[in-house]
Amino acid sequence: GQSLEQPSEVTAVEGAIVQINCTYQTSGFYGLSWYQQHDGGAPTFLSYNALDGLEETGRFSSFLSRSDSYGYLLLQELQMKDSASYFCAASGSARQLTFGSGTQLTVLP
Amino acid sequence: DSGVTQTPKHLITATGQRVTLRCSPRSGDLSVYWYQQSLDQGLQFLIQYYNGEERAKGNILERFSAQQFPDLHSELNLSSLELGDSALYFCASSAEDRGSSGELFFGEGSRLTVL
Repeated sequence: GQSLEQPSEVTAVEGAIVQINCTYQTSGFYGLSWYQQHDGGAPTFLSYNALDGLEETGRFSSFLSRSDSYGYLLLQELQMKDSASYFCAASGSARQLTFGSGTQLTVLP
Repeated sequence: DSGVTQTPKHLITATGQRVTLRCSPRSGDLSVYWYQQSLDQGLQFLIQYYNGEERAKGNILERFSAQQFPDLHSELNLSSLELGDSALYFCASSAEDRGSSGELFFGEGSRLTVL
């Protein structure tokens, strides 16, 4: 089967840096994605890592270590609008994208 | 706007009833995925179709069924509805079959309330 674990809640202040961790168990692992979801809206794609290392996209970066079955999403210069749920998702030989249970990020002023 | 269209946006019905949710994928995308999201929960994979064929099945109840039509739109049928079926149902699409790029394009969802 496939399973992903991530913290349920993270709180940080505006302007800070926050890291959301994700560990996974996936058969035939291809890569790890990150999605953002605001209050029941459509999940939107943030990043994808298929290889080990850090991928940077503006204020957001994502990291993957295949040997440790671990990844993280790093959000820098936090803004109030970053308050949302963040999901890691693993793609593997089972074809579907399996999502973690999500991390609710609250950004305080 | 992801380009994925879902209807209806909201649906209220009674237990024991049957509903159909509709999804039009992004132009050119051949894969359609259905996910269920209950209150404050993650996205649970239900089923995937690629170019009209079922490709992968998740924890989809026997009361639920889906299909993808020749024009690539998809429908999710939910029957004998129970209170616990109340949830957001998302459709997503991608160009490839295996989801190996990790990027799905999600619709705005259909919010189902079963009373």
